[in-house]
Amino acid sequence: QKEVEQDPGPLSVPEGAIVSLNCTYSNSAFQYFMWYRQYSRKGPELLMYTYSSGNKEDGRFTAQVDKSSKYISLFIRDSQPSDSATYLCARVSGGSYIPTFGRGTSLIVHP
Amino acid sequence: NAGVTQTPKFQVLKTGQSMTLQCAQDMNHNSMYWYRQDPGMGLRLIYYSASEGTTDKGEVPNGYNVSRLNKREFSLRLESAAPSQTSVYFCASSEELANEQYFGPGTRLTVT
Repeated sequence: QKEVEQDPGPLSVPEGAIVSLNCTYSNSAFQYFMWYRQYSRKGPELLMYTYSSGNKEDGRFTAQVDKSSKYISLFIRDSQPSDSATYLCARVSGGSYIPTFGRGTSLIVHP
Repeated sequence: NAGVTQTPKFQVLKTGQSMTLQCAQDMNHNSMYWYRQDPGMGLRLIYYSASEGTTDKGEVPNGYNVSRLNKREFSLRLESAAPSQTSVYFCASSEELANEQYFGPGTRLTVT
């Protein structure tokens, strides 16, 4: 079992919808999580990182960590066609300091 | 400020040929990484360098070697390419090991 699991999708939503992207992780020891956006044929681009439980907001993006259920989420408000991409979550655990990436969720926002 | 750059962007090799993928960063980062990305597999770490002068194996190191040439540059070498090494290769860097990583644009490698 991979340490970080993501549903590959694709997730298809209409423009303006609130999008919820989710990851689960299997190890209880952790340091922080990161979310990346990857457009087709491009490198991953860092969106957000969060160290602790609770929410972190940046513009239309909110990252949420629930340590008790080992669940991390990325919410995108007022989604736009330009948000269409693959979203990768990554977890860095205490000890190794090397991130483990999920396989990514493909998001399609249609006009 | 170019961030992380990679050369070449595309490469086609025949089985058994060798090549070196180049990566450079201009952010004065200490740590650098090489990943491969295959459909359905996500990003898998090949090698990393925590700081200049050190390198360590990642999840899938077999068939690869690396060199941390200086603080800016980290190269990945395929000594004898195999079709299983057909992939997209990404280089990344971070200020320290535990910090957020910044990725290059990738190299698309096909081994026939």
